[in-house]
Amino acid sequence: DAKTTQPPSMDCAEGRAANLPCNHSTISGNEYVYWYRQIHSQGPQYIIHGLKNNETNEMASLIITEDRKSSTLILPHATLRDTAVYYCIVRVSQSGGSNYKLTFGKGTLLTVNP
Amino acid sequence: SAVISQKPSRDICQRGTSLTIQCQVDSQVTMMFWYRQQPGQSLTLIATANQGSEATYESGFVIDKFPISRPNLTFSTLTVSNMSPEDSSIYLCSVDQTEAFFGQGTRLTVV
Repeated sequence: DAKTTQPPSMDCAEGRAANLPCNHSTISGNEYVYWYRQIHSQGPQYIIHGLKNNETNEMASLIITEDRKSSTLILPHATLRDTAVYYCIVRVSQSGGSNYKLTFGKGTLLTVNP
Repeated sequence: SAVISQKPSRDICQRGTSLTIQCQVDSQVTMMFWYRQQPGQSLTLIATANQGSEATYESGFVIDKFPISRPNLTFSTLTVSNMSPEDSSIYLCSVDQTEAFFGQGTRLTVV
């Protein structure tokens, strides 16, 4: 079973920030928070990951709470092309052991509206 | 990053037949992963394929139904055997280098 909880769907207006929440209350100390997205009929795409500090890259920002039990993915200026299913996944970052694999939950369908 | 090519991109097959899906990576990788995505569902890991060893299958998946080959560090195949309509899914190949990269998938329809 997935170790994360996400809302099934969210809407966002084009040009506005999209804030996607994720709960991972049972996260272990050595597990990272990963975010992927899947645009319709394509393979999943890596977005960002982090351990406990906030992270930012060219695609998004990741805000992790101090207790690490939840996080928020922020798309600062959503476009129509950001419409996709977003998956929040927790796992260790180094290979070895069964907890290295990616376990996908149902994710959040983000719809960006014009 | 890794570039992954999957063949075929889609196929329509008769029940009872088998289909072999190929996955080619543009760099050498130790671990390759095969996923299934049933219609309207999320991704489910089928097995992990390490070069030089037997694939490791997840619960609910067996080697007789989904044999996997891993002849070298850049290539793997997944065969869906004795297909039934319930096998209609998207099958995805993935490699993992801290973050995972996925192929575009093979959309299989069994009639």
